[in-house]
Amino acid sequence: NAGVTQTPKFQVLKTGQSMTLQCAQDMNHNSMYWYRQDPGMGLRLIYYSASEGTTDKGEVPNGYNVSRLNKREFSLRLESAAPSQTSVYFCASSQQTQGYYGYTFGSGTRLTVV
Amino acid sequence: TQLLEQSPQFLSIQEGENLTVYCNSSSVFSSLQWYRQEPGEGPVLLVTVVTGGEVKKLKRLTFQFGDARKDSSLHITAAQPGDTGLYLCAAGGTSYGKLTFGQGTILTVHP
Repeated sequence: NAGVTQTPKFQVLKTGQSMTLQCAQDMNHNSMYWYRQDPGMGLRLIYYSASEGTTDKGEVPNGYNVSRLNKREFSLRLESAAPSQTSVYFCASSQQTQGYYGYTFGSGTRLTVV
Repeated sequence: TQLLEQSPQFLSIQEGENLTVYCNSSSVFSSLQWYRQEPGEGPVLLVTVVTGGEVKKLKRLTFQFGDARKDSSLHITAAQPGDTGLYLCAAGGTSYGKLTFGQGTILTVHP
């Protein structure tokens, strides 16, 4: 049981380049999320998808787009990368259990924009 | 957006010592979760608390949810080097399970 799988694990981009971060989960969870993690700032929500076919902005959506391709897959796209987007990106999924949500995270994508 | 303040930000202790990490907010939480993250990995859920005054124990870890549901603490007894990592609190349980995370506490336990 793989849980949440993210690809790639590492990426270096030049300013202005584009790329897509891939995320897939095999737990049949309805909700999926993209967070970025920066030193001293915890995890900040970029976009989320409550269910297949829906997506919504989180706390820091500027410069990003997402696609909920199906129930399993939720991708994050950087159209024109900027140095401020250098970060570690985490995908997570969740399924409501007994009135609260527990997240399962992927192992992250470390992105450097030069 | 709920703002979560964790303290301390850094904690360096010797094996066998006890420690407490705090998570506070001015808002009332519907639920609160604690995660532990190791270098190069994603956070892993340790516990969820949902009831004011609730106490949960996980081996040497004790989690407490404040009576007013605005604060929480994580207490580790007799810390071990394997406890080293980043500890994150997260509040939420609101629409569609969106969580707000604290900035984290980096714990280092020296042998």
